[in-house]
Amino acid sequence: EVRLVQSGAGVRKPGESLKISCKGSGYSFTNYWIAWVRQMPGKGLEWMGIIYPGDSETRYSPSFEGQVTISADKSTTTAFLEWSTLKASDIGMYYCARPREEADYGPFDIWGQGTMVIVSS
Amino acid sequence: EIVMTQSPATLSVSPGERATLSCRASQSVSNNLAWYQQRPGQAPRLLIYGASTRATGIPGRFRGSGSGTDFTLTISSLQSEDSALYYCQQYNNWPPHTFGQGTKLEIK
Repeated sequence: EVRLVQSGAGVRKPGESLKISCKGSGYSFTNYWIAWVRQMPGKGLEWMGIIYPGDSETRYSPSFEGQVTISADKSTTTAFLEWSTLKASDIGMYYCARPREEADYGPFDIWGQGTMVIVSS
Repeated sequence: EIVMTQSPATLSVSPGERATLSCRASQSVSNNLAWYQQRPGQAPRLLIYGASTRATGIPGRFRGSGSGTDFTLTISSLQSEDSALYYCQQYNNWPPHTFGQGTKLEIK
């Protein structure tokens, strides 16, 4: 079974760092892009960025470039989303998602269960 | 960045009837358009890709149409389980592959 399993909720204070994860299984991890999608409370879906684990090529939405870092570890078949300095406005549910086809970057037919990020002093 | 605009924001339809959801792109996205369903507390689920191709396991009640800038998702024979948020997404130009703001479908 193809699965993306995300890490548990992260609770931090403003200014702190956080790294959440998304572990892929059941498929060739290096052959598929993995994207990150934000959903703020009560709001819609926002495409943040995407990484190709095969060569670590990464693309960011202009809205998120410089705000987060996307990375991947082929040895553990895990993708990561990282903040170095969290803001209160980073609160939300973060999903990882995989496109339908190898070496293609959309649309997404496999989704992680989501990781809730809470930023509060 | 391509802007995707969905309408209406909320749609209330009776069981057994048909719902029509619209999505408009600020510039042509060819047929590189997907539709997702998101039930409360769940991750999104892919319904339609390529504007009109149903994803694996999606019943024939869900039909996508359109190309260029105007797209429609039609859901026939509505059931209570269809109550959800529906999002369109273009994957023609990136980054980013933008989503619409969503349509909330309520089953009366």
